[in-house]
Amino acid sequence: DQQVKQNSPSLSVQEGRISILNCDYTNSMFDYFLWYKKYPAEGPTFLISISSIKDKNEDGRFTVFLNKSAKHLSLHIVPSQPGDSAVYFCAASAITGNQFYFGTGTSLTVIP
Amino acid sequence: DGGITQSPKYLFRKEGQNVTLSCEQNLNHDAMYWYRQDPGQGLRLIYYSQIVNDFQKGDIAEGYSVSREKKESFPLTVTSAQKNPTAFYLCASRPPWGEAFFGQGTRLTVV
Repeated sequence: DQQVKQNSPSLSVQEGRISILNCDYTNSMFDYFLWYKKYPAEGPTFLISISSIKDKNEDGRFTVFLNKSAKHLSLHIVPSQPGDSAVYFCAASAITGNQFYFGTGTSLTVIP
Repeated sequence: DGGITQSPKYLFRKEGQNVTLSCEQNLNHDAMYWYRQDPGQGLRLIYYSQIVNDFQKGDIAEGYSVSREKKESFPLTVTSAQKNPTAFYLCASRPPWGEAFFGQGTRLTVV
C-alpha cells in the first residue's frame, strides 16, 4: 500500500509562472518530509525539507507547505525556469523510523 | 570530495547469473540504503543498514542480498532468484537526522 502518493504524473508550466507539485501521505506517524529532484539516469538530489513542527519552509525559489490535518504537502517553485524540468519526488519518514517512503514522482516540464 | 559512488553505471546480466552492484560512501554515515526505480513506480526500498554487520529487508527484498562489512561499503547482489531484475538501482546514505544522499545509480539490464 502506497503510503506517499503523488497523484499527478506530469505537469507543464510556462517559464516565469508558478509550479505547484502536490503530495499526500497516509501515515500519521510521518513527521519529516522532503522533496527530491531527479534527472534521467541520475540519482535524486535533495531540494528542500520540512518537519512537522512547521507548516512552511522556504529556500530561494522553492517553498514547501505542510498541512498536517489534511496529510498533504506541496512544493511551490516560483518563478519556474526551464532548468527546473525534471522529475520531483516527495518522501516522508517518521522521527523514530529508519527509512524514507517515496511517492511515484511528478514530471515537471517548464516551457520557455 | 564527499559523496556516494556507485559502480558500474551500466551492467548487463545474462539470465541465471548473479551480479553485484557496488556502493561506497565517504560521508561517514551509519545508515545506507538500496532502492530500485521502475517507470511509474517511484523508489522502492530493497534493503537498508543502520550499522556495520546489520541490515534489514525493505519492501522488495526477494531475490536480493546485501552485506555490510565496512561502514563505507554496502554492496547489493542481484541473484538469479530475482525474476525481473532490469531496473535502475540507487544507493543512498543518511546521517542520523536529515536528508538521504544518493549515488548516481546503476542501470542493470538482463540480456
